[in-house]
Amino acid sequence: DTAVSQTPKYLVTQMGNDKSIKCEQNLGHDTMYWYKQDSKKFLKIMFSYNNKELIINETVPNRFSPKSPDKAHLNLHINSLELGDSAVYFCASSRTSGGSLETQYFGPGTRLLVL
Amino acid sequence: QQQVKQSPQSLIVQKGGISIINCAYENTAFDYFPWYQQFPGKGPALLIAIRPDVSEKKEGRFTISFNKSAKQFSLHIMDSQPGDSATYFCAPQEAGGYQKVTFGTGTKLQVIP
Repeated sequence: DTAVSQTPKYLVTQMGNDKSIKCEQNLGHDTMYWYKQDSKKFLKIMFSYNNKELIINETVPNRFSPKSPDKAHLNLHINSLELGDSAVYFCASSRTSGGSLETQYFGPGTRLLVL
Repeated sequence: QQQVKQSPQSLIVQKGGISIINCAYENTAFDYFPWYQQFPGKGPALLIAIRPDVSEKKEGRFTISFNKSAKQFSLHIMDSQPGDSATYFCAPQEAGGYQKVTFGTGTKLQVIP
């Protein structure tokens, strides 16, 4: 059973298009994240949701809009795709309890290529 | 502002050797110090983690050494194996509230037979 799953695994699209990436976790976690990993393998957090509420919103273009329909799902919609958006996008989840520190579980990634 | 500096950027080690990766941080609010391992085409996965109340933690061939005063922690891989070839990230976390993880820049380890 896949703990954190993402679809699609690969996404090739033209500049200017709008696309969505979906993420689902079956771990019962209450916090989910989106990360961007660039070609140099640098991992940067983009957003974090706790129980469907946005709690971390890093400096990300407003073309990127996360949406959490329930605490098991966190989708990422990207408008007007640009060449610089090409990267691997990882979804992650963790259990959070106040100040308790919990491990993050990552999905397999979505490889986005903008042409 | 770069809060987490990881070194070296890449590392080649002979099979059976010791691999050492270092992480230096500035944020004194960090209270949990994990290392993640990422294989090509996969997401990162927790390898080993330490809390600041101990200076060392060992799990099998993997050891974290933590120096709170120097604001540094390191990953040691003993008897390195080709299967350890991966990219390693330190990812210190702030305590309290919701977790914001700051990933290091990554170290690509290659263990050659």
